[in-house]
Amino acid sequence: KAGVTQTPRYLIKTRGQQVTLSCSPISGHRSVSWYQQTPGQGLQFLFEYFSETQRNKGNFPGRFSGRQFSNSRSEMNVSTLELGDSALYLCASSFGQNNMNTEAFFGQGTRLTVV
Amino acid sequence: DAKTTQPNSMESNEEEPVHLPCNHSTISGTDYIHWYRQLPSQGPEYVIHGLTSNVNNRMASLAIAEDRKSSTLILHRATLRDAAVYYCILNDDKIIFGKGTRLHILP
Repeated sequence: KAGVTQTPRYLIKTRGQQVTLSCSPISGHRSVSWYQQTPGQGLQFLFEYFSETQRNKGNFPGRFSGRQFSNSRSEMNVSTLELGDSALYLCASSFGQNNMNTEAFFGQGTRLTVV
Repeated sequence: DAKTTQPNSMESNEEEPVHLPCNHSTISGTDYIHWYRQLPSQGPEYVIHGLTSNVNNRMASLAIAEDRKSSTLILHRATLRDAAVYYCILNDDKIIFGKGTRLHILP
């Protein structure tokens, strides 16, 4: 079956703009998590959605938001972009609500560059 | 969030076993121990997970200490393609990554 699909793969935006990234989970998976990866901070958890509801949230400012649709596809939005938002944004999907005893599948990520 | 401690980097020779240690002294009774790895220019990839008993799959083995305060990921025969950053994670219903161990494989 198809893996986790993230679009676009690469993006260049200007400071102050806003951006929307998309993630299509594996068919049948209802949980989607988002991560930001930078060389300095490593992989940081942004938020997780299950059945269109945000279940967990990391320590990011309100400029970072997300949503999940009824088909489990998810989007994340970053408003008023800053240079420090340049990063690889990764999406992961898993099957159910309880993630402890299951594996997560990651996409290839969207590389965002803010200039 | 539960914490893990891993060495920053390790080296191993190709075709030899690799033992990657992880300490998690604050683990709670319901935390699962997960391992993921990230190859260069790719998203993280699931390796293995367990709760109390040792686990084996086609990629690796996971040895969990009896008190669950530490665990070891075992790659039985390392290849150059196993060079990656390996993350040990305590999964309390969300996956929080630490710094991981960068594994170098020497040909």
